[in-house]
Amino acid sequence: SQQGEEDPQALSIQEGENATMNCSYKTSINNLQWYRQNSGRGLVHLILIRSNEREKHSGRLRVTLDTSKKSSSLLITASRAADTASYFCATRMSGGGADGLTFGKGTHLIIQP
Amino acid sequence: DVKVTQSSRYLVKRTGEKVFLECVQDMDHENMFWYRQDPGLGLRLIYFSYDVKMKEKGDIPEGYSVSREKKERFSLILESASTNQTSMYLCASRSGQAYYEQYFGPGTRLTVT
Repeated sequence: SQQGEEDPQALSIQEGENATMNCSYKTSINNLQWYRQNSGRGLVHLILIRSNEREKHSGRLRVTLDTSKKSSSLLITASRAADTASYFCATRMSGGGADGLTFGKGTHLIIQP
Repeated sequence: DVKVTQSSRYLVKRTGEKVFLECVQDMDHENMFWYRQDPGLGLRLIYFSYDVKMKEKGDIPEGYSVSREKKERFSLILESASTNQTSMYLCASRSGQAYYEQYFGPGTRLTVT
């Protein structure tokens, strides 16, 4: 079953603008991760935020987590053409269950040069 | 540099054939995973393994089996390929700690005709 749902499904912005993607999930989590996938390729890990953290930064990336609302957001600042990709949130549920990550369907981000 | 490799980028097989997808990681990771990715459905976990000769079912194990005879290698087997198994297959590995990210291979796009 799908745990994470990204919003929007697709986003097109101009180079230099900020891009914000959201993720909602349904059950209690151990941690939430964001991944990027370039067209037809494997996924690359971007950032991990634990359930007891509220915000995390990595370069031009900023992730927030609100466990009371079961939601997370990924902000990419000063976007570049190379940021064009699909972005997925993935959760690892707390309390057992399958050990793999549960992925959302992704947000397809297009950066217009 | 960490690396997960998959035996083929593209594969075309006929209905009823037995198909082997191989995945190798060079990071000495305990955990390995197989996902399939389909448009509109995102990534779904097929099987995972947390140790040599150990395997656990994911969300969609039907029609698949796995083998892990060596720590670095995790194989996905389609006993009798069907057209609904046409998909992108992604292998991933992870260190033993739950807070660590998964490293993905480049994917195998399998077409069953």
